[in-house]
Amino acid sequence: AQSVAQPEDQVNVAEGNPLTVKCTYSVSGNPYLFWYVQYPNRGLQFLLKYITGDNLVKGSYGFEAEFNKSQTSFHLKKPSALVSDSALYFCAVRDFSGNTPLVFGKGTRLSVIA
Amino acid sequence: DAGVIQSPRHEVTEMGQEVTLRCKPISGHDYLFWYRQTMMRGLELLIYFNNNVPIDDSGMPEDRFSAKMPNASFSTLKIQPSEPRDSAVYFCASSLPPGEQYFGPGTRLTVT
Repeated sequence: AQSVAQPEDQVNVAEGNPLTVKCTYSVSGNPYLFWYVQYPNRGLQFLLKYITGDNLVKGSYGFEAEFNKSQTSFHLKKPSALVSDSALYFCAVRDFSGNTPLVFGKGTRLSVIA
Repeated sequence: DAGVIQSPRHEVTEMGQEVTLRCKPISGHDYLFWYRQTMMRGLELLIYFNNNVPIDDSGMPEDRFSAKMPNASFSTLKIQPSEPRDSAVYFCASSLPPGEQYFGPGTRLTVT
């Protein structure tokens, strides 16, 4: 079975500081990992994905994520947070070899304070 | 491409009424997903289709919920009869296998 854990319901960071939103996963085979962002009253928006290759994946709006196989983690990062980054962030996983839907985490609310 | 299109964007109805939510997936996408989002339960997968065929409807909460995909460019989610606890935001998403899912803007349903 596939599962995703986002251990923090809320992350607060000052504008200009680096941010990290944590995600750990569990799949039986190789993982296919995603990050999505949801702004108020909007649908989920794709940020970035990891399939294979470089462990550091770059995505939209300056975000990046680091795949760590030994720790089964895929943390989302940004070197310098903006107030406009405040939103709900979802990590998602699926087994690369299957055709099952993505399994989403519960989401982490990021608040960037000016 | 216009992305995933959902209608209506907002729906307010009285308990017992039938509600129909509509979705047009991105052209060429083989998979279509219906989700429900609430504060209490988060994001829940209700049902998904592959090439217009329902694959897994185990997330549909009750027999009051039904979904159809008569062709590759249209799907409906119907609730009959609706209840206040059905109030939520309903999202449709589509994808190519095995890629990322693209979400629509959602339909905010309020049942009074």
